[in-house]
Amino acid sequence: NAGVTQTPKFQVLKTGQSMTLQCAQDMNHEYMSWYRQDPGMGLRLIHYSVGAGITDQGEVPNGYNVSRSTTEDFPLRLLSAAPSQTSVYFCASSLADLSYNEQFFGPGTRLTVL
Amino acid sequence: GESVGLHLPTLSVQEGDNSIINCAYSNSASDYFIWYKQESGKGPQFIIDIRSNMDKRQGQRVTVLLNKTVKHLSLQIAATQPGDSAVYFCAENLPNTGNQFYFGTGTSLTVIP
Repeated sequence: NAGVTQTPKFQVLKTGQSMTLQCAQDMNHEYMSWYRQDPGMGLRLIHYSVGAGITDQGEVPNGYNVSRSTTEDFPLRLLSAAPSQTSVYFCASSLADLSYNEQFFGPGTRLTVL
Repeated sequence: GESVGLHLPTLSVQEGDNSIINCAYSNSASDYFIWYKQESGKGPQFIIDIRSNMDKRQGQRVTVLLNKTVKHLSLQIAATQPGDSAVYFCAENLPNTGNQFYFGTGTSLTVIP
């Protein structure tokens, strides 16, 4: 199994540009989520999904959209990038209930918005 | 030690010594906790977890202690090795929040050969 994969690894955007961060997992996990990691702060949940067709907002959802058309894929879209979105983004997946199942993280995407 | 929202502290230990990393959590209703290890340029990796009905849980070379009275969590690493050098952080899950966790800022552990 490849586990959780993320593309691209690095990305530089100009303010106002849009892009999609890709995330895929091959473990048949129901639960997937997106976090951002900023210096001096813990991981913060952006959006999550408990299964195909179901998404919900996390702690910091503004400026980001997600969709979950398949169990495997959970892309994160930035509609109009802002410098405040400069961060490292992690996708994670787990079986349905996090309280009993390990959450697996991808390697991250480092995004810089100029 | 670390606490949710504080700046990243550091810890240096000699190879072979034991390491203790601390975490203070804020919500007494949190009922599930996880310790993660994050190496430079990589995603977080699950180390060990503990539920609030437990005080102690042991894994391979790692032990997590939970003190609910003072809302404190610690990670003990026995016989620390150079490969243990990483950032370690805790995460807490509040009941009725589904799969949402709140993460600490982390402690940077450096193992001196």
